[in-house]
Amino acid sequence: EPEVTQTPSHQVTQMGQEVILRCVPISNHLYFYWYRQILGQKVEFLVSFYNNEISEKSEIFDDQFSVERPDGSNFTLKIRSTKLEDSAMYFCASSDRGDRSSYEQYFGPGTRLTVT
Amino acid sequence: DQQVKQNSPSLSVQEGRISILNCDYTNSMFDYFLWYKKYPAEGPTFLISISSIKDKNEDGRFTVFLNKSAKHLSLHIVPSQPGDSAVYFCAASASGSTLGRLYFGRGTQLTVWP
Repeated sequence: EPEVTQTPSHQVTQMGQEVILRCVPISNHLYFYWYRQILGQKVEFLVSFYNNEISEKSEIFDDQFSVERPDGSNFTLKIRSTKLEDSAMYFCASSDRGDRSSYEQYFGPGTRLTVT
Repeated sequence: DQQVKQNSPSLSVQEGRISILNCDYTNSMFDYFLWYKKYPAEGPTFLISISSIKDKNEDGRFTVFLNKSAKHLSLHIVPSQPGDSAVYFCAASASGSTLGRLYFGRGTQLTVWP
């Protein structure tokens, strides 16, 4: 069964460093998302992406964050200068349709980011 | 921001019995609702969804009920099995959100014991 994959599974970085989290969405999906879950808190939306453009972003997704689809398979989240509060589990998700009749998003296993 | 609320952090049910997980929402613009299951060290797995034009959707052992007037939905699992033990998240999407940004509740830990 097709699945969303994410690498690395765990990333440790020092405050102020740049990190890139990678995702390979399900191959025929066209809609991509990043969410994060800080320990003990709920899953929060960061950004949605379609046709090489950001479709929607939350207030969390500030200028330190960027997303890219560098080729036909990868979808990346870059944090330019990490802060301690960026420590969280980051989930990538994809969907094969963006119309109103079906909104199932399929999630990857997550990347645990630890900022020290 | 508590637009989606799951007020029970945990639920314990005996195998074979019904599990009922509840979810409330405050945003009247929400028109699509989903339930996800999550095991430790894995991402959320889609279980079942319901559009606001329906009040019930069933898929095998899983049924979701939607009460729009009460802004309440519930997930019923019958019969419950030990493998159902996981964290269950309720999520909602609003009309006007271009690609279906999901708002999640905090989750309910379901434990099914033999």
